[in-house]
Amino acid sequence: GIQVEQSPPDLILQEGANSTLRCNFSDSVNNLQWFHQNPWGQLINLFYIPSGTKQNGRLSATTVATERYSLLYISSSQTTDSGVYFCAVRGGNKLTFGGGTRVLVKP
Amino acid sequence: DGGITQSPKYLFRKEGQNVTLSCEQNLNHDAMYWYRQDPGQGLRLIYYSQIVNDFQKGDIAEGYSVSREKKESFPLTVTSAQKNPTAFYLCASLGDGAHNYGYTFGSGTRLTVV
Repeated sequence: GIQVEQSPPDLILQEGANSTLRCNFSDSVNNLQWFHQNPWGQLINLFYIPSGTKQNGRLSATTVATERYSLLYISSSQTTDSGVYFCAVRGGNKLTFGGGTRVLVKP
Repeated sequence: DGGITQSPKYLFRKEGQNVTLSCEQNLNHDAMYWYRQDPGQGLRLIYYSQIVNDFQKGDIAEGYSVSREKKESFPLTVTSAQKNPTAFYLCASLGDGAHNYGYTFGSGTRLTVV
């Protein structure tokens, strides 16, 4: 099956800092999504981004499907950005998740 | 508002018991999924269903069962054969329309064996 790897596994930021999270995947995929899991476990859809670049406020994402990676950018981080960020890719009928990047933003 | 409702939020099971987790969606999505998440880990696929009355095993289906009698509902039963059921369970559905794409997740059920 498709392998999905995320890096770094953990990230500690000072409030206001910028950061980049990476997602590598092993095969061609139908779609790619980035999620934020809050402390209560809820998965919030950030981006549906099989290719190209999208922006939503302080967050943006870029997927280069031909090179099998995606990047999530967090700018001017806030404490509410803390949580786990997951990349998930769909190959066929299955959505496969990476191991996540745990982000802690300190005030 | 459309969405996915999972219940209960917390569930305690005695050893040897079967328990059923509920997942209901009003998004008119055809495909529904069950995932398991262990502490500090990613999500692993248990079962999925593309249409009513049809479902397929995911990566960790042993000890679980599902049914899909209605488009809106996809309940998961954790059977006594599942030796380590304590985990966080998430249900999702998939939209593939022009304005309704990507996966939507419910808020999850935390299952604990006591």
